[in-house]
Amino acid sequence: QVQLLESGPRQVKPSETLSLTCSVSGGSMSPFFWNWIRQSPGKGLEWIGYISYTGSTYYNASLKSRVSMSLDTSKNQFSLNVDAVTAADTAVYYCGREVCSRGTCHFDYWGQGTLVIVSS
Amino acid sequence: DIQMAQSPSSLSASVGDTVTITCRASEDIGNFLAWFQQKPGKAPKSLIFDASTLHSGVPSKFSGTGSGTDFTLTISGLQPEDFATYFCQQYNIYPYTFGEGTKLEIK
Repeated sequence: QVQLLESGPRQVKPSETLSLTCSVSGGSMSPFFWNWIRQSPGKGLEWIGYISYTGSTYYNASLKSRVSMSLDTSKNQFSLNVDAVTAADTAVYYCGREVCSRGTCHFDYWGQGTLVIVSS
Repeated sequence: DIQMAQSPSSLSASVGDTVTITCRASEDIGNFLAWFQQKPGKAPKSLIFDASTLHSGVPSKFSGTGSGTDFTLTISGLQPEDFATYFCQQYNIYPYTFGEGTKLEIK
């Protein structure tokens, strides 16, 4: 059974960098796309972007200037960095696996999410 | 960005009932629509992709229909474990966008 687990600091100071890691167990990193999604308190879900098993990335334009993702296949992990955070970046952050078949891609597994609070 | 209007935002039903949740896209997304179930503190669970295809292991009490802009999720024979929040997602065009969610509560 594939499982994803987010980890990282629960609190980040304004203007600093938010860093999270998603650890994947029960399966390989290939040939999937690895996504980050977040949900701010009282708001809906926002897709942040993905990193593919080859290391290619695609980010939501709304966050593109502040986001970066990386992949470590030897550890079965991928990571998210969000620079220059503000209170608006306070959210539950989820990682999710995207599988492609017959020309389409869709999510199949998600992590349980981790709450990150931006506060001094 | 494509807006996903999901309704209702909350729904009360009884065990054994059948309920329908609707998702409307602001533009044609073909059949690139997924449905998820979320319980507090748990990982969202993928139910349906491509508007009507059940993920492996998802019981047939869940069904999805629609294409273009209008989609529905129907849950029949509600059981206590089905009371949760459900949300839709379009994956036709980046950025992927989600509905606001429907909280299904026991009446």
